Amino acid sequence: GQNIDQPTEMTATEGAIVQINCTYQTSGFNGLFWYQQHAGEAPTFLSYNVLDGLEEKGRFSSFLSRSKGYSYLLLKELQMKDSASYLCAVRGNYGGSQGNLIFGKGTKLSVKP
Amino acid sequence: DSGVTQTPKHLITATGQRVTLRCSPRSGDLSVYWYQQSLDQGLQFLIQYYNGEERAKGNILERFSAQQFPDLHSELNLSSLELGDSALYFCASSVGGQGGYEQYFGPGTRLTVT
Repeated sequence: GQNIDQPTEMTATEGAIVQINCTYQTSGFNGLFWYQQHAGEAPTFLSYNVLDGLEEKGRFSSFLSRSKGYSYLLLKELQMKDSASYLCAVRGNYGGSQGNLIFGKGTKLSVKP
Repeated sequence: DSGVTQTPKHLITATGQRVTLRCSPRSGDLSVYWYQQSLDQGLQFLIQYYNGEERAKGNILERFSAQQFPDLHSELNLSSLELGDSALYFCASSVGGQGGYEQYFGPGTRLTVT
């Protein structure tokens, strides 16, 4: 079956660094995505990893270890506007699914002053 | 603005009724995906269309159906509505059909069933 786990909630301080972890067990693997979603709004794309290692994009970085079924999203120099839910999603090779995205339930990040 | 449009933004209806949600993908995108997001669940993939053809099915109920028209817009039909169908329904689009391309999400339709 498919299972994606991430912490439900996290709190961090403005200006700090926070790491949001995601572990997955899926039928096949063809990439991992991170999305940001503010309450009541659409998810917006943050990053994509398909090979092991770190992908850096400004204040955001994402890491993948396929052998461990593990990824993390690193947010640096936190700003109040980073308060949002962060969704981990895996593209698999499920039968008939053509590799569609399976989402975790999201991690709600609260940034405090 | 992702370039994906969805209408209506809000919909309130009664149990047993039928509604249609509409989605227009980004210009040039051939794939449309439908997702349901309720408070206690994450984003649940419902169905995907690619260039007018059904490509993949997820956790879509038999009471729900969808189609993609020649102009690539898509409609999601929900019938015999139940209270538990109250949720945010998102449409997303991507260039390719294999699901690995970055998906761009529309603003969603909030459905409330009373």
